[in-house]
Amino acid sequence: SQKIEQNSEALNIQEGKTATLTCNYTNYSPAYLQWYRQDPGRGPVFLLLIRENEKEKRKERLKVTFDTTLKQSLFHITASQPADSATYLCALEGSGGSYIPTFGRGTSLIVHP
Amino acid sequence: EPEVTQTPSHQVTQMGQEVILRCVPISNHLYFYWYRQILGQKVEFLVSFYNNEISEKSEIFDDQFSVERPDGSNFTLKIRSTKLEDSAMYFCASSPHLDSSSYEQYFGPGTRLTVT
Repeated sequence: SQKIEQNSEALNIQEGKTATLTCNYTNYSPAYLQWYRQDPGRGPVFLLLIRENEKEKRKERLKVTFDTTLKQSLFHITASQPADSATYLCALEGSGGSYIPTFGRGTSLIVHP
Repeated sequence: EPEVTQTPSHQVTQMGQEVILRCVPISNHLYFYWYRQILGQKVEFLVSFYNNEISEKSEIFDDQFSVERPDGSNFTLKIRSTKLEDSAMYFCASSPHLDSSSYEQYFGPGTRLTVT
């Protein structure tokens, strides 16, 4: 079955630096991949979607890359701010053509002032 | 900006009792979902609903679960006989349509269900 791996250790960075989060997957070739933000006790909030034929996508300070050969997506936040502190979830298109996303466990980002 | 709402925010119930979790999806959305997240675990899909019927469900969504859209705005999840392991955050989500331009889902704030 498909497996999604996100770093379980929190990423601590200094304000102003670029945060880079990784999502690796196995046993699947999704047509697209999504990134969500989740704050404690809250529901996930959609950030970006990238398709398999797109290498990179940007939205304001966010950038996502999608390497289908490495089976990996990188999520970057440039000029990070303490308000960016949250858990970031990677979600893959469901297997077998299902549109239901399969979520990773997420990586916690802590931006220190 | 329209948003998904859920009630109650926190529900405490005793094992074996029935609970109904309520959601109001975004008004022009057509697809509705329930997910759960056990504390410290990943978000898990339960069920999707379209055109007044279940379109997809996971292995978690067994006979003790049911969903309903009783009117034009509410979307409910019923757990018939709760178990301790049903304790989790339950998220409702909706999406406007499913074409190649729009797969993102809009999540509600969640209901924290505690079964004692």
